[in-house]
Amino acid sequence: EAQVTQNPRYLITVTGKKLTVTCSQNMNHEYMSWYRQDPGLGLRQIYYSMNVEVTDKGDVPEGYKVSRKEKRNFPLILESPSPNQTSLYFCASSPGATLEQYFGPGTRLTVT
Amino acid sequence: AQKITQTQPGMFVQEKEAVTLDCTYDTSDQSYGLFWYKQPSSGEMIFLIYQGSYDEQNATEGRYSLNFQKARKSANLVISASQLGDSAMYFCAMREGPYNFNKFYFGSGTKLNVKP
Repeated sequence: EAQVTQNPRYLITVTGKKLTVTCSQNMNHEYMSWYRQDPGLGLRQIYYSMNVEVTDKGDVPEGYKVSRKEKRNFPLILESPSPNQTSLYFCASSPGATLEQYFGPGTRLTVT
Repeated sequence: AQKITQTQPGMFVQEKEAVTLDCTYDTSDQSYGLFWYKQPSSGEMIFLIYQGSYDEQNATEGRYSLNFQKARKSANLVISASQLGDSAMYFCAMREGPYNFNKFYFGSGTKLNVKP
């Protein structure tokens, strides 16, 4: 089944404790992206990647890192999480930027 | 300035009636793409419809159509014959081109409630 998977789905952590949210797709898509969703703000793009080793900042990259060492994986790293990073995070992929994105199920992160 | 504006935080529609969800966008690029996504209460994001800036015809997908008015920079979603399962959040999104074509911008969403 073609899909985008994210792990974990739910995470509660404390300020400053490094964490990684994994994202994997099995569709051989070149384009992958991370978003955060906050009430009243919709989805905001954090980082995107056009292919292996090619990444760039979206609208809200502060406090986040990404890497794309393999085509299928695009992990999101929070080196020192803070409470303002409490949010619902989505990973998405598409064959190209102009085409529809396939979204993962979301990761709900709470930082206390 | 907001790239995507959805001015209706919430809407109600009677089952079987048509409903229009508003979306306006802001770009100075000639090449861009417009998308609509649905997010049910279960949380997943579901792609509905796409319109390219050079497409002359309005996009349609089943009960969904996109009313594209380029001069007014609007891309309203029309849902015909609403069903109870259409109750969800709806997001309008834009991909700009050609230099930032990898960036996506989403609106704040419209919560649609379909009444039986």
